Amino acid sequence: GQQLNQSPQSMFIQEGEDVSMNCTSSSIFNTWLWYKQDPGEGPVLLIALYKAGELTSNGRLTAQFGITRKDSFLNISASIPSDVGIYFCAGQLGGTSYGKLTFGQGTILTVHP
Amino acid sequence: EAQVTQNPRYLITVTGKKLTVTCSQNMNHEYMSWYRQDPGLGLRQIYYSMNVEVTDKGDVPEGYKVSRKEKRNFPLILESPSPNQTSLYFCASSLNGQGAYEQYFGPGTRLTVT
Repeated sequence: GQQLNQSPQSMFIQEGEDVSMNCTSSSIFNTWLWYKQDPGEGPVLLIALYKAGELTSNGRLTAQFGITRKDSFLNISASIPSDVGIYFCAGQLGGTSYGKLTFGQGTILTVHP
Repeated sequence: EAQVTQNPRYLITVTGKKLTVTCSQNMNHEYMSWYRQDPGLGLRQIYYSMNVEVTDKGDVPEGYKVSRKEKRNFPLILESPSPNQTSLYFCASSLNGQGAYEQYFGPGTRLTVT
């Protein structure tokens, strides 16, 4: 199947710092999504990106859909302890495969107060 | 309350003993999907369903079966479980598979196959 490479695998930061993570793929995706998973729960959608070059914000979160449609990044500004969790990127190919969603390996974020 | 429910939440079983993990949503969603989550691999899609009686393979369908006889339910069937199917399983649903990516995930089912 398709592969998404997400980096970094983990991050340990101090409260108040900014965070950046990204996903790259060898395939072109029509849609990029970013999810957050809290411990013991299922992932929750943070941001959805539908157009190459699109830059979208959701509070302290900002994500961009790369121009080549093969990458995306997520920034979190002024991190707080409740930002702790696993962040996943996901991509959708579109066309006849629009039901298939491919996830990255995840970035584990730890925020020290 | 809008939700996706999965049962059981935890299951320990033995190799070869058929099992079913149920998934139900109360939001009248057309699209439902099953994922497995393994450390370092993220979530991998097993099967998905665009609507009743419409199912298709995800990236890792081997060893699994699904059915979608009614809109609200999407059970995952392991006919002959093996230890490599030990994993955390998530069911998810969304309004439809085309653009509506507000996928609501269930709480997860932790399966151990010995």
